[in-house]
Amino acid sequence: AQKITQTQPGMFVQEKEAVTLDCTYDTSDPSYGLFWYKQPSSGEMIFLIYQGSYDQQNATEGRYSLNFQKARKSANLVISASQLGDSAMYFCAMREYQLIKAAGNKLTFGGGTRVLVKP
Amino acid sequence: DADVTQTPRNRITKTGKRIMLECSQTKGHDRMYWYRQDPGLGLRLIYYSFDVKDINKGEISDGYSVSRQAQAKFSLSLESAIPNQTALYFCATSDQSTGELFFGEGSRLTVL
Repeated sequence: AQKITQTQPGMFVQEKEAVTLDCTYDTSDPSYGLFWYKQPSSGEMIFLIYQGSYDQQNATEGRYSLNFQKARKSANLVISASQLGDSAMYFCAMREYQLIKAAGNKLTFGGGTRVLVKP
Repeated sequence: DADVTQTPRNRITKTGKRIMLECSQTKGHDRMYWYRQDPGLGLRLIYYSFDVKDINKGEISDGYSVSRQAQAKFSLSLESAIPNQTALYFCATSDQSTGELFFGEGSRLTVL
C-alpha cells in the first residue's frame, strides 16, 4: 500500500486566493513526522513546513499552514494568498521514527501535486 | 555556494555506459541519501548512508551502486545504464535530530 498519497496530480489557482493540497498517509508507527517540499521548475527541492505526530497545534510557516487531522491520517497543505511564484510541484513526505529506527531519517514521498497560479 | 552539490547537473549517455553521479556536502551531516524522481512517482530512495562505513539499500537499488568516500562525499554509479534509468537524481543529507532533508540541485540523466 502507498504510504503517502497525493490525489491531485495538478490544479489551477487564482492569484491571491488560497489553495489546499491534499495528502493522506498510512503508518502504524505512533511517532512520525510529515514534511512538505516545493519543487519549482528549476528543479531544486525547497523545504516548506513540518508537522510532528505529537504536535498539539497545526504547523504554520508564513503563508503555509498544515491542516493536520490525525484520526483521518491527513496532512493537507494550505497556501494562503497565492502568488505567481507559488507555481511549482509540491511533495508531501513522511518519516517514521520508531518502527524503522534503523533506517535513520528516510523520508517516503508522495507522487506530488503540480500547482499553477493564474494571474 | 550550495551546501549540497551534485555533479554533473545534466548528462546524456548511451545504453550500456558506466555513469557516476557525485555529491558533496558542507553541512557536516553524517547521513546522506540518493533519490530518483520520476513523473507521478515522487522521489524514491535508491541508497542511504549513515556514515562512511554504513551503506544501506533503499527501495529501488537494483542497477545502482554507491560509494561513501568521506563524510562529505557520496557517489552513485550506474554500472551499465539502461533507458529506464532516465530520471532526475537527487542527493540529500539530513540533520539527525530534525529529520529534515537538505537536497542538492539534482542531476538530470538521460539514457538513450
